[in-house]
Amino acid sequence: NAGVMQNPRHLVRRRGQEARLRCSPMKGHSHVYWYRQLPEEGLKFMVYLQKENIIDESGMPKERFSAEFPKEGPSILRIQQVVRGDSAAYFCASSPSTGAGNTIYFGEGSWLTVV
Amino acid sequence: AQSVTQLGSHVSVSEGALVLLRCNYSSSVPPYLFWYVQYPNQGLQLLLKYTSAATLVKGINGFEAEFKKSETSFHLTKPSAHMSDAAEYFCAVSENSGAGSYQLTFGKGTKLSVIP
Repeated sequence: NAGVMQNPRHLVRRRGQEARLRCSPMKGHSHVYWYRQLPEEGLKFMVYLQKENIIDESGMPKERFSAEFPKEGPSILRIQQVVRGDSAAYFCASSPSTGAGNTIYFGEGSWLTVV
Repeated sequence: AQSVTQLGSHVSVSEGALVLLRCNYSSSVPPYLFWYVQYPNQGLQLLLKYTSAATLVKGINGFEAEFKKSETSFHLTKPSAHMSDAAEYFCAVSENSGAGSYQLTFGKGTKLSVIP
């Protein structure tokens, strides 16, 4: 039973390039979340998606960041025109539901380095 | 609004000694509380969670935590540290309604070192 799968695990981009991070949720999970972990910080919520719908993007930066979860295929977190401050670990998580106290399962993360 | 404070960004204990990692929370509604562990360059693994049942929660790897409403605390303990416990530990809170039911708010983490 595979867990939450993220790729790439490590990504290096030059300033101004685009970064695309992919996430396949656990089997049977239809709720996907993206979190960002900056150095020396805890994880911060970015966005919550279900298939073909963005439910809550209150934690997403207003510019350059977008997320999708298409009908087929993985969820994608896209960062356009990356800057040094985007260097962070990006974690995808999934859950079978969103009931109170619901367990959210995290992937192993994608570490983005902007040079 | 909810928040989590983890006292001590680094904690060192000797192998076999008691592990105590502190977590205090702030929440306007009854919270749900979680402890996650993160090994280097890996994702977060759930250790245990409190969801308003028993206040003493037992988790994996011998860890447990006690919810104390009067102290707004959810400290993580383990009677005897093992070398394999060296990792970073995150406390998180969610709420029982609205966006808070799926948004986890994390503390900044505590790095645990175990000295042989």
